[in-house]
Amino acid sequence: KNEVEQSPQNLTAQEGEFITINCSYSVGISALHWLQQHPGGGIVSLFMLSSGKKKHGRLIATINIQEKHSSLHITASHPRDSAVYICAVPNTGNQFYFGTGTSLTVIP
Amino acid sequence: DSGVTQTPKHLITATGQRVTLRCSPRSGDLSVYWYQQSLDQGLQFLIQYYNGEERAKGNILERFSAQQFPDLHSELNLSSLELGDSALYFCASSATGSLNTEAFFGQGTRLTVV
Repeated sequence: KNEVEQSPQNLTAQEGEFITINCSYSVGISALHWLQQHPGGGIVSLFMLSSGKKKHGRLIATINIQEKHSSLHITASHPRDSAVYICAVPNTGNQFYFGTGTSLTVIP
Repeated sequence: DSGVTQTPKHLITATGQRVTLRCSPRSGDLSVYWYQQSLDQGLQFLIQYYNGEERAKGNILERFSAQQFPDLHSELNLSSLELGDSALYFCASSATGSLNTEAFFGQGTRLTVV
């Protein structure tokens, strides 16, 4: 069993749609990271959150520590949002457990 | 631009060879983390250095080693390379030794072993 589960694995959306990516984890954590990996391969850190909600532009991340669940929302999706989104949680050994990623394609 | 610089961007080498990947962390960040991303295994943590000392170790092969220098840049050395070592190697940096702070990733080094 993976410590971090993401869903869906693949997602295709029309431009303008509201998108939700989910992340569930089984380990106790104090923070969760959302990462974005573009087709070119580079990884960008989107959010690090430990409670509640954070917003950056059209991206919103929420976390419920009690339910061990986080969501990443994209409002008014755009083709440039096409990427792989990865959820990562640190363990007590100071390593990341990574989700398998959600591959998002936004069609114009 | 994350502020983390990795060189080289691409590397092609033959089996059995040794290569060195370099990472310069964001200014002021004390921790450097190395990750390997291969097609079949996703992102895997290799090793972390904090202010020059090894802090955490993941699934790093004995043929691989790393160090962090006094100026805080880090090098990952891969030796006796095998075809299966072909992957994207990322480094990330953070201000503290903990992953409970934001981490910033470099653009990665794509290693191809032929």
